[in-house]
Amino acid sequence: EIVMTQSPVTLSVSPGERATLSCRASQSVSSSLGWYQQKPGQAPRLLIYGASTRATGIPPRFSGSGSGTEFTLTISSLQSEDFAVYYCQQYNNWPPGTFGQGTKVEIK
Amino acid sequence: EVQLLESGGGLVQPGGSLRLSCAASGFNFNDYAMTWVRQAPGKGLEWVSSISGGGASTYYTDSVKGRFTISRDNSKNTLYLQMNSLRGEDTAVYSCAKGSEGSAYSPLDYWGQGTLVTVSS
Repeated sequence: EIVMTQSPVTLSVSPGERATLSCRASQSVSSSLGWYQQKPGQAPRLLIYGASTRATGIPPRFSGSGSGTEFTLTISSLQSEDFAVYYCQQYNNWPPGTFGQGTKVEIK
Repeated sequence: EVQLLESGGGLVQPGGSLRLSCAASGFNFNDYAMTWVRQAPGKGLEWVSSISGGGASTYYTDSVKGRFTISRDNSKNTLYLQMNSLRGEDTAVYSCAKGSEGSAYSPLDYWGQGTLVTVSS
């Protein structure tokens, strides 16, 4: 079973700064990697799929990169609405939906 | 507009059963895989189970295998999760999510708000 590990657990960033979140898979997931944003009391929202493709309506300040076992989500200039928890998820290998434990992006 | 509305949650004693439903609208339901994801209070997302668009393929996380059954009625645009032999560690908000393809191996592009399941005596 694939294990997804995200780092850091918490990221403190000032508005306007860049945020870089990491996700590592215990074995290759090719480019079958998604990133989700979840705000308190809300359902998760798909940000990135295929490791680097923005989902519909996602602003260009969100970008994804990586393949194989190492992935990165970058938020180029944090806006107030971006403070949230971010999860990566692989959908390449069984089981088909393993999530990372999440990274909380908080205001510095 | 895609909408997913879960129902069926509640308080149940350990060892009891519940059936969750997810009513879908706004897309061709039988063309897309569906997934149940749960989130225990204050915890992260946990994938629970997925079913392919036609219903022929089902998948379960190890901790629920043999206790939970995922199914779908494409004539009613509804996804189900039958949960038996419930345990305290099953306490969570259960959300249904739509896959972006017919295969369960696809990202989840729409999510419901979830229904709370509490397992306690």
